[in-house]
Amino acid sequence: EPEVTQTPSHQVTQMGQEVILRCVPISNHLYFYWYRQILGQKVEFLVSFYNNEISEKSEIFDDQFSVERPDGSNFTLKIRSTKLEDSAMYFCASSEDGQASNQPQHFGDGTRLSIL
Amino acid sequence: AQSVTQPDIHITVSEGASLELRCNYSYGATPYLFWYVQSPGQGLQLLLKYFSGDTLVQGIKGFEAEFKRSQSSFNLRKPSVHWSDAAEYFCAVGHNNAGNMLTFGGGTRLMVKP
Repeated sequence: EPEVTQTPSHQVTQMGQEVILRCVPISNHLYFYWYRQILGQKVEFLVSFYNNEISEKSEIFDDQFSVERPDGSNFTLKIRSTKLEDSAMYFCASSEDGQASNQPQHFGDGTRLSIL
Repeated sequence: AQSVTQPDIHITVSEGASLELRCNYSYGATPYLFWYVQSPGQGLQLLLKYFSGDTLVQGIKGFEAEFKRSQSSFNLRKPSVHWSDAAEYFCAVGHNNAGNMLTFGGGTRLMVKP
């Protein structure tokens, strides 16, 4: 069964540095998402992306964050000038269709980001 | 605002016993509801979804869930739990808009006693 893959599985970065988290969505999927889960807290929506632009973003997704689909397969989340509170598990997801009723979101295994 | 509540943070059941995990939602329109499972070190795997029609939905691994609009609930059930079911379970509501975001509950950690 096709999977969403995320790299790296664990990223350790110094505070203030930039980090890029990478995702390869399922190949025929058109909608892409990033979520995060701070340790002990809920999974939170960050952003959704379709047709090379952001469809929706949460209040968490401020100017520090950006997303990009640099080629036909990768979907990246960049965090500029990381802060301690950015430490979390970041999940990428993709769906065939943007309508939740028709096509569910498939999640990767996540990247654990640790900011020192 | 939309929200999802899973009242039980931890549940322990004996192997072979039945299971019910509770989920309550708050959403202004017809909800699209999901249950995901997360095993340690893994991502979120979809167990089942509800969007319309029969209020009792069947999922993978022998799970089912029942949508009760009057109670704003979407409880997950399994008649006989296996040790491999030990994991964290998340209920989520989908927003039928351009962004298609999911709002998750806080999760219920299931432990299975031999």
